[in-house]
Amino acid sequence: GDSVTQMEGPVTLSEEAFLTINCTYTATGYPSLFWYVQYPGEGLQLLLKATKADDKGSNKGFEATYRKETTSFHLEKGSVQVSDSAVYFCALSEVETGGFKTIFGAGTRLFVKA
Amino acid sequence: SQTIHQWPATLVQPVGSPLSLECTVEGTSNPNLYWYRQAAGRGLQLLFYSVGIGQISSEVPQNLSASRPQDRQFILSSKKLLLSDSGFYLCAWTRDRGTEAFFGQGTRLTVV
Repeated sequence: GDSVTQMEGPVTLSEEAFLTINCTYTATGYPSLFWYVQYPGEGLQLLLKATKADDKGSNKGFEATYRKETTSFHLEKGSVQVSDSAVYFCALSEVETGGFKTIFGAGTRLFVKA
Repeated sequence: SQTIHQWPATLVQPVGSPLSLECTVEGTSNPNLYWYRQAAGRGLQLLFYSVGIGQISSEVPQNLSASRPQDRQFILSSKKLLLSDSGFYLCAWTRDRGTEAFFGQGTRLTVV
């Protein structure tokens, strides 16, 4: 079945460092891909998305490119801030009978030190 | 605009007691609905999803069940809670393929 694999955390960086969180997926069709962020004690909120191959999603300085050839959607940011400390989830949305199923990776916790 | 409500926010229940968590969506019709569990130190696990009233798909064998008695209502239940049912439960909905999932604020369940 469909699945999402992302790098294990936690990831600890200093402020202004470059961030990469790897995400790869397996899917039978042509899923849409997402990155969600979860701040402490809250639900998830969408960070960015891409709906087809070679699309680049971007938001708040974060970017990810939908790479069909490598089935990847790695999250990057050029200069992280302390406020970026959170758990990041890679996800895909795939057609299921009569609807759409969204599944998530295990999440990667990011700590940014001042 | 659409909103999603999930309650209660926190819950402490003894082992063997029943459970009922409720989630409702406003401002849309025929949403796809989901229950996820986030256990301490672990990722987000899909428990159930529903594409319509009375249509429930279970992703993992477990002590929990789900029901969708109305179009915009999704209920997570258990007849007898286990210690391993403790975790952070999130309800979510999506509209169409390629659109984002909207999450409730979550329920922190502690089984003692």
